[in-house]
Amino acid sequence: EVQLVESGGGLVQPGRSLRLSCAASGFTFDDYAMHWVRQVPGKGLEWVSGISWDSNNIGYADSVKGRFTVSRDTAKNSLYLQMNSLRVEDTALYYCSKDRWTTVTAVFDSWGQGTLVTVSS
Amino acid sequence: QSALTQPASVSGSLGQSITISCIGTSSDVGGYNYVSWYQQHPGKAPKLMIFEVTNRPSGVSNRFSGSKSANTASLTISGLQAEDEADYYCSSYTSSGSVVFGGGTKLTVL
Repeated sequence: EVQLVESGGGLVQPGRSLRLSCAASGFTFDDYAMHWVRQVPGKGLEWVSGISWDSNNIGYADSVKGRFTVSRDTAKNSLYLQMNSLRVEDTALYYCSKDRWTTVTAVFDSWGQGTLVTVSS
Repeated sequence: QSALTQPASVSGSLGQSITISCIGTSSDVGGYNYVSWYQQHPGKAPKLMIFEVTNRPSGVSNRFSGSKSANTASLTISGLQAEDEADYYCSSYTSSGSVVFGGGTKLTVL
């Protein structure tokens, strides 16, 4: 059974940094692209970033480009999101999601339960 | 990266069928077959219901079906059941290598 467990969320001041982690299990992590998707409570889904199986293909939403960095560690079966220069509008529940394929597509076939990031002074 | 356009809400009676539209452009929905649909119940993570326009993951009821014409994708749910009441989101791969979601549609089962 695929399991994705996010961690690292919390309360942070505007302009500060935070690093999210996603521990993956139940599948061959190396074989699939991975994503971060966020959702403001009560609002819609927003794709944040995706990374291919080999880290050679990485994409970001315009809203986070230049501030967020996605990475993956095969040895630890983990996905990361380094978030710098955080803004109030980055406040959301951040989901880790597995792609159905090796490259970045729009097929998120498994999701974690999310970790909440609150940016506030 | 403009969001795909979905109706804010749709409703249908038990046993009826409904269709949710997802309008994009030739740079996303119209240009690729990487259109997916997700169901989200309150307080839960989204669940993949349809991928690559028409495909159902194993375990998803065949009451759910997808289609696409030009820049518009559609999700049809037949034989509405009470447990279908949820929010539904479409997504598409885009020509810039990113992914875009629709704004979401709240389905009410009467």
